[in-house]
Amino acid sequence: NAGVTQTPKFQVLKTGQSMTLQCAQDMNHEYMSWYRQDPGMGLRLIHYSVGAGITDQGEVPNGYNVSRSTTEDFPLRLLSAAPSQTSVYFCASRDSRNTIYFGEGSWLTVV
Amino acid sequence: AQSVTQLGSHVSVSEGALVLLRCNYSSSVPPYLFWYVQYPNQGLQLLLKYTTGATLVKGINGFEAEFKKSETSFHLTKPSAHMSDAAEYFCAVTPSGFQKLVFGTGTRLLVSP
Repeated sequence: NAGVTQTPKFQVLKTGQSMTLQCAQDMNHEYMSWYRQDPGMGLRLIHYSVGAGITDQGEVPNGYNVSRSTTEDFPLRLLSAAPSQTSVYFCASRDSRNTIYFGEGSWLTVV
Repeated sequence: AQSVTQLGSHVSVSEGALVLLRCNYSSSVPPYLFWYVQYPNQGLQLLLKYTTGATLVKGINGFEAEFKKSETSFHLTKPSAHMSDAAEYFCAVTPSGFQKLVFGTGTRLLVSP
């Protein structure tokens, strides 16, 4: 049982480039979400999904897109990377007992 | 809207001393409350959670927290700190309908010998 798997773990982008952070879970969880973590700000919700085909915005959605074509996958797309998007990104899924499982994080630097 | 305030960005204790990390929440509906721990360069691990029922919640690694509705608090405690407890701790809240989990800004626990 792999849990929540994120790739890549580390990435350096140039300003204006696009990329996709991948997230997959093998626990058949309906709810998945993306957070970003910045020093002194805790984790802030970017987007979330309550099931395949359904997504919604969180606290800081600007500059990010998501889709949920399958229960397992919830990719996060950066459309045109900016230095302000330098952060650590965490994908998470939630089980029926409201326990959230986090991936190990993706460190993104935009130069 | 829900929010969480963690008092103290850093807390320092000696090994063997009591650990107390403070969390106050704001919620317009009955909340679910969580404590997570994050070790360097790792993801977040659930320590404990309160949903309904007993207000004193026991978690992993000897931690516990008490939900006090009158004080809107959910402070995390451990009777005796170990060096391995050094990490960052996050309190989080969600309404019982659970659409969004809102995190506090975190408290870094430093444990000295």
